[in-house]
Amino acid sequence: QVQLQESGPGLVKTSQTLSLTCTVSGASSGSGGYYWTWIRQHPGKGLEWVGNIHYSGSTYYNPSLKSRLSLSLDTSENQFSLKLTSVTAADTAVYYCARERVSGYHYGMDVWGQGTKVTVSS
Amino acid sequence: QSVLTQPPSASGTPGQRVTISCSGSSSNIGSNAVNWYQHLPGTAPNLLIYGNDQRPSGVPDRFSGSKSGTSASLAISGLQSEDEADYYCETWDDSLNGVLFGGGTKLTV
Repeated sequence: QVQLQESGPGLVKTSQTLSLTCTVSGASSGSGGYYWTWIRQHPGKGLEWVGNIHYSGSTYYNPSLKSRLSLSLDTSENQFSLKLTSVTAADTAVYYCARERVSGYHYGMDVWGQGTKVTVSS
Repeated sequence: QSVLTQPPSASGTPGQRVTISCSGSSSNIGSNAVNWYQHLPGTAPNLLIYGNDQRPSGVPDRFSGSKSGTSASLAISGLQSEDEADYYCETWDDSLNGVLFGGGTKLTV
């Protein structure tokens, strides 16, 4: 059974860097056919795609976050990570990591972490 | 405003059938597969439909998806109280080169 677990600080100061890690268990983050994805949900709002990464190193970022976002994948640790620089209160959200199946088309995020709440405050 | 347009709310009574629409364009729904998620407060979203009309194992056949042109729909038949949740459509956008979520539809049973 594949499981994902987010970890990282729940509180980040304004203008600093938000760093989150997602640990994969029950599957290899180095296997093809999947993108490892970050999604966030602002308080009271809908889901927003942040970005994803493939084991080959390919990354896709939400254009609105691209200048501040960096995703990485550590197959030896079976983890993938998010770094978002220069955060503001607008980055306060619940952050989810997920596995997305890709086979020609994007076939959806079939495994999700439980989500981690991140608050940005001075 | 999301590029993928969903009605903000929908409602039905137990046993009824409801549909939730998702409208996009040729660069997203028109040329890519649509996926649907159920999201209960305080939990992680759950994949309900993938590839326009496929159900992952464990998803009841009361849930069905369809796509026509640049629009997609999620249908829920035999509504149950536990279906009360937020529902999101999602697809890839070739122009954005990224994933899009609809704005979400809050279903009240």
